[in-house]
Amino acid sequence: SQQGEEDPQALSIQEGENATMNCSYKTSINNLQWYRQNSGRGLVHLILIRSNEREKHSGRLRVTLDTSKKSSSLLITASRAADTASYFCATDASGNTGKLIFGQGTTLQVKP
Amino acid sequence: GAVVSQHPSWVICKSGTSVKIECRSLDFQATTMFWYRQFPKQSLMLMATSNEGSKATYEQGVEKDKFLINHASLTLSTLTVTSAHPEDSSFYICSNGPAGTQYFGPGTRLLVL
Repeated sequence: SQQGEEDPQALSIQEGENATMNCSYKTSINNLQWYRQNSGRGLVHLILIRSNEREKHSGRLRVTLDTSKKSSSLLITASRAADTASYFCATDASGNTGKLIFGQGTTLQVKP
Repeated sequence: GAVVSQHPSWVICKSGTSVKIECRSLDFQATTMFWYRQFPKQSLMLMATSNEGSKATYEQGVEKDKFLINHASLTLSTLTVTSAHPEDSSFYICSNGPAGTQYFGPGTRLLVL
């Protein structure tokens, strides 16, 4: 079953612009993770934010988590054409077993 | 991070045949691995949890007799799609890793004709 929703479903921006993707989930979580998937490929882990954290940075990525609203956002700053991919949030509600429930994903296109 | 491989990377088979997909953890001893399925333009859906030395745990709606999982060692889990049908055509991905950080295999694309 899907944990939640992501919006937008698709996003198209110009290189250099920022991209923001949102994720909502339904149950209590231990952590929330963001993954990237290039077309037809496996997933690459981007960042993990724990339930007691509110914001986390990694390079050009900024993730926020609002457990009261059961939502998270991923911001990619100064986007590049190489950032074109699908981005998924995933929640671990299972006590850190690694079992993940994925959101529906956002397809990002960055135009050069 | 942990390296996870899958074999084959793609497979085409006739309806009614069985297909085995391997997931190997190359540098991490995985007592637990996870199998996901992804249909075109959709997200990943968790199918089952593969447990080393014991039975797999299947998610609701996933037929355990159709998707046989074997996790005989700490580095290998296999998923066998039995009596495959065209609706089983999908991208199958495994994952494993330490708690909180999952590493995904490159996926296996299955096309059932």
